[in-house]
Amino acid sequence: LAKTTQPISMDSYEGQEVNITCSHNNIATNDYITWYQQFPSQGPRFIIQGYKTKVTNEVASLFIPADRKSSTLSLPRVSLSDTAVYYCLVGDIDDYKLSFGAGTTVTVRA
Amino acid sequence: SQTIHQWPATLVQPVGSPLSLECTVEGTSNPNLYWYRQAAGRGLQLLFYSVGIGQISSEVPQNLSASRPQDRQFILSSKKLLLSDSGFYLCAWKPRGGPRDAFFGQGTRLTVV
Repeated sequence: LAKTTQPISMDSYEGQEVNITCSHNNIATNDYITWYQQFPSQGPRFIIQGYKTKVTNEVASLFIPADRKSSTLSLPRVSLSDTAVYYCLVGDIDDYKLSFGAGTTVTVRA
Repeated sequence: SQTIHQWPATLVQPVGSPLSLECTVEGTSNPNLYWYRQAAGRGLQLLFYSVGIGQISSEVPQNLSASRPQDRQFILSSKKLLLSDSGFYLCAWKPRGGPRDAFFGQGTRLTVV
């Protein structure tokens, strides 16, 4: 499994765009990049997954440069309810293990 | 649709008492199953995962054990709880060989006193 590094915490204000960058220098050819969101006292939930370039859904966008050694989760126009911990995972879709790092705590203020 | 059930939601147990947390999945077959623990303000620690009935992989040596007696049932146990076993326990499942999106239960808040 590729090791990931992401900031411990980020602060933002309502209506701003939040970008969280995850570094994964030893990503393998078959690895995908997946992001999860976790609210307090709940289990994480899947946000978005990508392999290269850009992926967008109704919740977020995921930007992956050509070398794939990093990725950026973009949350547009955040609200207070986006305050959560965001985890970046990298691995093959056939991986049995599903290991989460410490994640990034995003705090959105009014 | 697939659902995951985890119970109980909260549990207060004395030190030295046994533990049994159960997790069941509906609407899917042959899932990969996982148990995690999360200490207050910390990240998710993978405790056990299972790719099939009776197949358990342990990630961290500890006071806990896991079993998978049926395809969609995953049980976390302890013979004698320690104070350090307190935490938020989460069960999860992932489709085998599919995208890396996992689905989590609601969690069990365990307090050992």
